[in-house]
Amino acid sequence: DVKVTQSSRYLVKRTGEKVFLECVQDMDHENMFWYRQDPGLGLRLIYFSYDVKMKEKGDIPEGYSVSREKKERFSLILESASTNQTSMYLCASSAPGGRGTDTQYFGPGTRLTVL
Amino acid sequence: AQTVTQSQPEMSVQEAETVTLSCTYDTSENNYYLFWYKQPPSRQMILVIRQEAYKQQNATENRFSVNFQKAAKSFSLKISDSQLGDTAMYFCAFIYTGTASKLTFGTGTRLQVTL
Repeated sequence: DVKVTQSSRYLVKRTGEKVFLECVQDMDHENMFWYRQDPGLGLRLIYFSYDVKMKEKGDIPEGYSVSREKKERFSLILESASTNQTSMYLCASSAPGGRGTDTQYFGPGTRLTVL
Repeated sequence: AQTVTQSQPEMSVQEAETVTLSCTYDTSENNYYLFWYKQPPSRQMILVIRQEAYKQQNATENRFSVNFQKAAKSFSLKISDSQLGDTAMYFCAFIYTGTASKLTFGTGTRLQVTL
């Protein structure tokens, strides 16, 4: 079974802090994704990566950056956390196969609160 | 750009009954995939079912089946013999082969299964 893990289930940070959210997958997937989930808005893509050291912006990249130094790990970085970044963050991964068609497998999510 | 609409924010069904969740989407593309994901209170997003647009036959997974109407751009999920464990948020999602694996999600339907 595919396993996607996220470093924290709950996280509380203060405004202006630098925040790192870590995601690790164990199935040698090339594609990894970071989503933000907010009530009434569904899931929105922040960033994704096709390979090590590669990244592409999603629909709402502002205020975020990412790092993919190893294939299995994809980090989401909030350079200076703000209260409007309080949300649920979901990581996902998918196998290479044909682009745009592969099932994405999700981690358990990190609920981030910025005070 | 494609959009996914789930017009039922909340639904309720009694145990052992059948319920149908609605999803419509808007795209000008011809080759794409559609998914239903389930997110129980534990927050882990789980794939329920997947449909390739080029297949006319509706996908089925045990008690879960879809009614895919390509011309109408409709993709509803039917849950038969509902169980308490089906209580969850259900998200409809779309991806087309021309993009970089970008899933577009609907806003979700919260399903409550009652005794």
